[in-house]
Amino acid sequence: SQTIHQWPATLVQPVGSPLSLECTVEGTSNPNLYWYRQAAGRGLQLLFYSVGIGQISSEVPQNLSASRPQDRQFILSSKKLLLSDSGFYLCAWSGGEYNSPLHFGNGTRLTVT
Amino acid sequence: SQKIEQNSEALNIQEGKTATLTCNYTNYSPAYLQWYRQDPGRGPVFLLLIRENEKEKRKERLKVTFDTTLKQSLFHITASQPADSATYLCALTPVDSNYQLIWGAGTKLIIKP
Repeated sequence: SQTIHQWPATLVQPVGSPLSLECTVEGTSNPNLYWYRQAAGRGLQLLFYSVGIGQISSEVPQNLSASRPQDRQFILSSKKLLLSDSGFYLCAWSGGEYNSPLHFGNGTRLTVT
Repeated sequence: SQKIEQNSEALNIQEGKTATLTCNYTNYSPAYLQWYRQDPGRGPVFLLLIRENEKEKRKERLKVTFDTTLKQSLFHITASQPADSATYLCALTPVDSNYQLIWGAGTKLIIKP
C-alpha cells in the first residue's frame, strides 16, 4: 500500500532563518506531488505541484520554493522565513489520472517567531 | 468572482441522526467534486468523488449528491456516530484545470452522544 511521510510535525523558527520541509511517498511510482498551505478558516491553498522529477509548477509567488530531487521526494524550502510564512503545511500525492484523489501527509505546523 | 462555500458554523447533530453538509459553488464548471475528512492536526483524508454527470454516490453510511443546476453538492452521513466528528472539506476540479483543486474552507461536524 502507498504511504506518505512528512516531517517534522511541528517547527518553530525565527524570522530570517532557512526552512526545509521534506515529504516522501512509498508504494507508488511517478506520483503527482503537491505542497499546500492551510490557514485557519480558509480553504487549502496550492503552493507547488510536480508531475515529475525536476518539474515544479508554482501557483503562488512567495518566499518559498520547492524541489523534487527524486521521484518520490518533495521538498519545500525558504532561504529567509517571514512571519507571514507561519501556517499548516501539507504535502500530498495523487495518481496521474485527471480525477485522482489526493492523499495527504499529516502536515507540519510552522510557527515563525 | 469564483468561489466555493461551505457553512463556516459548526454543525451539531445528535448521535444516530443524519448529518447533511452543504457545498455551494459559483462561476465554475466542475468536472468532479470531492469530499474529504480532516481531524484536528492531521491531513485531509479522501472520502468520495462524484462526477458532473452523476447525481448520487454512496459508500457505506456516506452519500454525496451533485446538482450542477443548483451548483451544489450535499454530503450525508446516516446513523451518525461521535467518531464521525471532524471537519469535512469539499473540493472541485474545474473542467479547464489539470491539477488545481478549488477547496472550500470546511464545515466542522460535531456528533453528540
